[in-house]
Amino acid sequence: GAVVSQHPSWVICKSGTSVKIECRSLDFQATTMFWYRQFPKQSLMLMATSNEGSKATYEQGVEKDKFLINHASLTLSTLTVTSAHPEDSSFYICSARNRYEAFFGQGTRLTVV
Amino acid sequence: AQSVTQLDSHVSVSEGTPVLLRCNYSSSYSPSLFWYVQHPNKGLQLLLKYTSAATLVKGINGFEAEFKKSETSFHLTKPSAHMSDAAEYFCVVTSSGGSYIPTFGRGTSLIVHP
Repeated sequence: GAVVSQHPSWVICKSGTSVKIECRSLDFQATTMFWYRQFPKQSLMLMATSNEGSKATYEQGVEKDKFLINHASLTLSTLTVTSAHPEDSSFYICSARNRYEAFFGQGTRLTVV
Repeated sequence: AQSVTQLDSHVSVSEGTPVLLRCNYSSSYSPSLFWYVQHPNKGLQLLLKYTSAATLVKGINGFEAEFKKSETSFHLTKPSAHMSDAAEYFCVVTSSGGSYIPTFGRGTSLIVHP
């Protein structure tokens, strides 16, 4: 199957700083990418849908100014957690879609201290 | 619209006994269905997928699932559980009606006893 690379796999940052997570589709062009968040022992919740060259569509309850999403090319989407707080600590997973199937990155464990 | 329901939050089995993880879906259009496994503090690993071909799908590590349209089900099975199968399992649906956005079930935690 296709490969989606997510980087970094884990990051620790101080409260108030910003963290950028990258999601790359390595062997296909992804016009659409998705960002999910997973709380401990819970399922994956969709945060936003990112389309190349346009603004992301955020799910209800997700702060667009806190979670900045950029999809500048057909192979790269980034999620920036701005002014991070401890409650932003979570597991973030990206997904890149071709026409019929979505492929997932390995996730990023964010810890804000 | 689309949705997926994993009927059990936890399933507990003994090593060597069969595994059954249940998943029901709802979709107004022809769905694609997937099962993923997640080990603690790890990412998602695709076990198997159904995308309108054979209704009985075989995946990795001895898992298989059968798509039953009449029952709107896609249950995951394995004949004999192994200790290494202990993990969280997610059933996922996509369809054109849902703009091909993957929708996750709540997950089923598989516990394997020695």
